[in-house]
Amino acid sequence: DADVTQTPRNRITKTGKRIMLECSQTKGHDRMYWYRQDPGLGLRLIYYSFDVKDINKGEISDGYSVSRQAQAKFSLSLESAIPNQTALYFCATSDLQTPEETQYFGPGTRLLVL
Amino acid sequence: AQSVTQLGSHVSVSEGALVLLRCNYSSSVPPYLFWYVQYPNQGLQLLLKYTTGATLVKGINGFEAEFKKSETSFHLTKPSAHMSDAAEYFCAVSGGTSYGKLTFGQGTILTVHP
Repeated sequence: DADVTQTPRNRITKTGKRIMLECSQTKGHDRMYWYRQDPGLGLRLIYYSFDVKDINKGEISDGYSVSRQAQAKFSLSLESAIPNQTALYFCATSDLQTPEETQYFGPGTRLLVL
Repeated sequence: AQSVTQLGSHVSVSEGALVLLRCNYSSSVPPYLFWYVQYPNQGLQLLLKYTTGATLVKGINGFEAEFKKSETSFHLTKPSAHMSDAAEYFCAVSGGTSYGKLTFGQGTILTVHP
């Protein structure tokens, strides 16, 4: 089984709808991240969480919120989806036990907002 | 603030030819550097990383990268391209005040021709 899983893998929604993307991990890592990928822009950090009680905004958090329900679960919500939130979304985890904190990525969720 | 620039959004090589993907970074502290690969419809997979010590880093699938502090570069190479190397490649940096957070380059799409 994959160490970092994301659901759903694909989602189509309409402008104004609230949606939630979910991420689960079995790696036992404390730190979790949400990124979005847009063509030509690489990956940009939306939110990150260093433990269950810690939530931090990334560089592009406007229009998004997150919830860290447990060490293994980190959800991303779009409160009122808009077309420019159409993107590929990745969840990642990292290991505090290594100085460089290598990040491990899920398979991604492809979101289309109509 | 840290930044990463990948020179060339698209690189095309023939099968068996040298692969060279360029990455330059900006960091005010000793960086941790990473290369990730994204195959079509998949998540990001770690190719290799530089933390400390030896500046020539070997990764999976025959790839290697050399950390050159004087040139602030971390170029990715492979002596002989294979069709299966066709993918998008991302360079990323972390460290210092960005500890635990990755800053990505824009990505380079590698095409391998028969």
